[in-house]
Amino acid sequence: AQRVTQPEKLLSVFKGAPVELKCNYSYSGSPELFWYVQYSRQRLQLLLRHISRESIKGFTADLNKGETSFHLKKPFAQEEDSAMYYCALSGRAAGNKLTFGGGTRVLVKP
Amino acid sequence: KAGVTQTPRYLIKTRGQQVTLSCSPISGHRSVSWYQQTPGQGLQFLFEYFSETQRNKGNFPGRFSGRQFSNSRSEMNVSTLELGDSALYLCASSWGQGAIDTQYFGPGTRLTVL
Repeated sequence: AQRVTQPEKLLSVFKGAPVELKCNYSYSGSPELFWYVQYSRQRLQLLLRHISRESIKGFTADLNKGETSFHLKKPFAQEEDSAMYYCALSGRAAGNKLTFGGGTRVLVKP
Repeated sequence: KAGVTQTPRYLIKTRGQQVTLSCSPISGHRSVSWYQQTPGQGLQFLFEYFSETQRNKGNFPGRFSGRQFSNSRSEMNVSTLELGDSALYLCASSWGQGAIDTQYFGPGTRLTVL
């Protein structure tokens, strides 16, 4: 069965410091990987997906199939990045449904 | 475009009762997925409806059911409520089937079972 693991429940960084959120997965086949974000009092929304290979709000994520990881990175964290971040996986073997990790809360201190 | 709407936003029920939650997708979206969010289990997939047919189902008991109407609006029903059903129920809509298309989430319905 597919599984997504986010080992850190909380990440606290200072403004301007780099931030990396870890995501590891288990899946048989070629997965689709996503990062979703939920800002305070807002809805869960898609941040980025690996097939797009784009940078959103300065965040990037690289799919490493050898290490089965999809870590999210930003070189210089901003206070507005404080939010809950969820890594998610989908794919044909998963019935095309989203499987979420437990989430990482990011707190960017001034 | 108006976003995904869910009604009601808050609900309090007692054990043994049943509840129906509603989700209106973004106009033009044909897929609606439902998720349960709890502090202990996180976000878990319940089911997906596409063109009025259930296409996917998560690992939840048969007390959880749903349906989709011809206008793509969806309802989720939980019968014989248990305390453990207390959760935030999220729905998400997308244009196509499955998670490949971007899913847009609603604000959720907070269900409390007493």
